[in-house]
Amino acid sequence: DAGVIQSPRHEVTEMGQEVTLRCKPISGHNSLFWYRQTMMRGLELLIYFNNNVPIDDSGMPEDRFSAKMPNASFSTLKIQPSEPRDSAVYFCASSLGKGLPGELFFGEGSRLTVL
Amino acid sequence: AQRVTQPEKLLSVFKGAPVELKCNYSYSGSPELFWYVQYSRQRLQLLLRHISRESIKGFTADLNKGETSFHLKKPFAQEEDSAMYYCALSPLSGGYQKVTFGTGTKLQVIP
Repeated sequence: DAGVIQSPRHEVTEMGQEVTLRCKPISGHNSLFWYRQTMMRGLELLIYFNNNVPIDDSGMPEDRFSAKMPNASFSTLKIQPSEPRDSAVYFCASSLGKGLPGELFFGEGSRLTVL
Repeated sequence: AQRVTQPEKLLSVFKGAPVELKCNYSYSGSPELFWYVQYSRQRLQLLLRHISRESIKGFTADLNKGETSFHLKKPFAQEEDSAMYYCALSPLSGGYQKVTFGTGTKLQVIP
């Protein structure tokens, strides 16, 4: 397994544009997490899914952010419209999601720069 | 609500010196605690977790429920330990595994 796969690795866009980040979790994992990493706030949990269902989206900053998981092997995080303060590294992670709290496996991240 | 606090953004130590990265948590139930590490140009990865009681790469961490802490320690720092370290918390029960991270501490080991 190639691990968690995220795309794009880097995205530079202008304020007001729509941004879509993609994630393919590890096969067989039931939980998927989206995190945002910044120097000031560290790793912030934005939303997480269990069996493709959003469980907690309280970390989503505002209505400009939305996330979907249409099936067990794909998730998207969309920002529309984007703003300079959204510039950060966005990580996707997956875990087995069963039994005791398990290890999170992270993707390489998508570095977003909004000009 | 669950919260993880790492008071130090940067910790610089000399090679061979002891290291202690601080982590305090707030959670009303029983937590599972983790330490994750991000080396330069590598993915964020699990270093160790409380329930395993393991020592990984010479690092250990003890859960102190009275002080609600899970500090990461190593007796002798190595240059290859330089990295970003994150403490994380997940509920031990409840079915869903919401994992909350602290703001991270950058460890810099000076040769």
